[in-house]
Amino acid sequence: QVTLRESGPALVKPTQTLTLTCTFSGFALTTSGMCVSWIRQPPGKALEWLARIDWDDAKYYSTSLKTRLTISKDTSKNQVVLTMTNMDPVDTATYYCARIMGSGRGWFDPWGQGILVTVSS
Amino acid sequence: EIVMTQSPATLSVSPGERATLSCRASQSVRSNLAWYQQKPGQAPRLLISGASTRATGIPARFSGSGSGTEFTLTISSLQSEDFAVYYCQQYHNWPPFTFGPGTKVDIK
Repeated sequence: QVTLRESGPALVKPTQTLTLTCTFSGFALTTSGMCVSWIRQPPGKALEWLARIDWDDAKYYSTSLKTRLTISKDTSKNQVVLTMTNMDPVDTATYYCARIMGSGRGWFDPWGQGILVTVSS
Repeated sequence: EIVMTQSPATLSVSPGERATLSCRASQSVRSNLAWYQQKPGQAPRLLISGASTRATGIPARFSGSGSGTEFTLTISSLQSEDFAVYYCQQYHNWPPFTFGPGTKVDIK
């Protein structure tokens, strides 16, 4: 059974850096073709893709956010970490991680439960 | 960047009725389109990939069709558990992967 779980702070202050961890089980990010992405969803709004990391350490970022995002992996811990710098109240959202099974594919399945991050002073 | 649009924004349907949701891409995505269902307080769940292939465990009442720029998700006979928000997502030209704004299916 494949599962993913997000962890990190529920509250960050403006200008701070957010660090989120996705801990997964049921697959290995060392397996050819495996990928993990981060997606966020502001309250009551639509989904926005943020970043993706592949089994071979290839990394891809949202065009509009790429200067603020860094994605990395720790295969020994089955974790993917996303950092977002210079947080702003508009970054308040539920942040999800999700698997892509196959680097030639692009759909997300399954998703973690999500973590709500509020940006406020 | 490929922009995805969905219509209608809200669809009111009675249980047992058919629901038809539309998704449009600003340029061709061929068949590289997925559909997700999201219920309140839950993460999205994959329903359809490749425009028409149901994900594992998805009931046959869900079907997807279309290619290029026009896509449809049909729920043949709405069950109580189907009332949710539905999103389409393209993965033809990325980054970025892009989602539509969603269609909310509620009870009429």
